[in-house]
Amino acid sequence: AQKVTQAQTEISVVEKEDVTLDCVYETRDTTYYLFWYKQPPSGELVFLIRRNSFDEQNEISGRYSWNFQKSTSSFNFTITASQVVDSAVYFCGSGGGADGLTFGKGTHLIIQP
Amino acid sequence: DTGVSQNPRHKITKRGQNVTFRCDPISEHNRLYWYRQTLGQGPEFLTYFQNEAQLEKSRLLSDRFSAERPKGSFSTLEIQRTEQGDSAMYLCASSRLNQPQHFGDGTRLSIL
Repeated sequence: AQKVTQAQTEISVVEKEDVTLDCVYETRDTTYYLFWYKQPPSGELVFLIRRNSFDEQNEISGRYSWNFQKSTSSFNFTITASQVVDSAVYFCGSGGGADGLTFGKGTHLIIQP
Repeated sequence: DTGVSQNPRHKITKRGQNVTFRCDPISEHNRLYWYRQTLGQGPEFLTYFQNEAQLEKSRLLSDRFSAERPKGSFSTLEIQRTEQGDSAMYLCASSRLNQPQHFGDGTRLSIL
């Protein structure tokens, strides 16, 4: 069984601020994936990143970075120099590869101009 | 890739009616997934197919729900005798083996 907790229901920051979205997971699987999706107001789920549990190397993609720490069961997501277009609901989750994904409840990120 | 396509985008029906949704996955994606998302929640897994075989079903998938993928390409999700609680966004996703899932825009079901 998998469980994903996104404790921050809503975050509001002013444009150009950095913001970190927290994600804590629970799993009994020895091999698993962690991922982030973005859901803008238009509604479609947009894939951002997926990490294998064997790979704890942090990743940076432009203004986005992800910090995976197995010791704390966390997979946090940071947006640097936020922009209004980053406003969306962000979902963290986990999955066992071929299985269905388990999503957190999401963090609603509001970037104010 | 043209993306995952779902039809209709929005379905309004009266309680007790049957509804059917269709999902066309990205071509050559052999895995297809159905999820349900209610307001303020993350998507919840319903079922998944590898080719035409339905390999896993969530306990959320009551006996009023049935999904098919007859030729391993498109899939349909049918809800019989709809109830108020079935109102939700129904999402379809597809993937290749061990690759990330890509989602369609969903079908929003409203039960009157």
